[in-house]
Amino acid sequence: QVQLVESGGGVVQPGRSLRLSCAASGFTFSSYGMHWVRQAPGKGLEWVASISYEGSNKYHADSVKGRFTISRDNSKNTLYLQMNSLKAEDTAVYYCAKERGGYVIEYYFASWGQGTLVTVSS
Amino acid sequence: QSALTQPPSASGSPGQSVTISCTGTSSDIGGYNYVSWYQQHPGKAPKLMIYEVTKRPSGVPDRFSGSRSGNTASLTVSGLQAEDEADYYCSSYAGSNNLVFGGGTKLTVL
Repeated sequence: QVQLVESGGGVVQPGRSLRLSCAASGFTFSSYGMHWVRQAPGKGLEWVASISYEGSNKYHADSVKGRFTISRDNSKNTLYLQMNSLKAEDTAVYYCAKERGGYVIEYYFASWGQGTLVTVSS
Repeated sequence: QSALTQPPSASGSPGQSVTISCTGTSSDIGGYNYVSWYQQHPGKAPKLMIYEVTKRPSGVPDRFSGSRSGNTASLTVSGLQAEDEADYYCSSYAGSNNLVFGGGTKLTVL
């Protein structure tokens, strides 16, 4: 079955960087677009970034554009989110999610990890 | 792009039906078929319940159905059960490789 395991969260000071990872198993990782979605404490869901199955197309929300970068390593079945210039408002649980259909980006988050908490605080 | 508008709460008794609305614009819900709904229980990851406005992933009970009229999408839960109590979020593609979510609706089974 599909398994997505996020790691790399923690407490970081404003302005610093953090890299999240998402280890995927149970499906052909290289055939699916992947996404990051976040949820601030007690708040709703916010799309963060998406990447095509082969990694050539990357899309980022305006709120993180220029600061965050999504990437993937298909040889390691791993998705990444490089987060730079972190702000307090980036504090959230970050989920990685698998696209529903292969070879497309339709923004249907069919499988989710358990999430990793990022806290930006001095 | 602004978030989609959902009512903060909804409720119904077991066995009843409840409908949750999600209002957007012609630039998101009204302009694309990429509308989906997610269920989230406390402390858990969200679960895809509806995609492409009306379609159900395998394993989702047919008590859950989606629809759209103009710029408003709706999720209907029929035959309410205790386990349906959760937060529900709509989402829609908003053009230019952007996705927008609704603010969420807390469904209470009375």
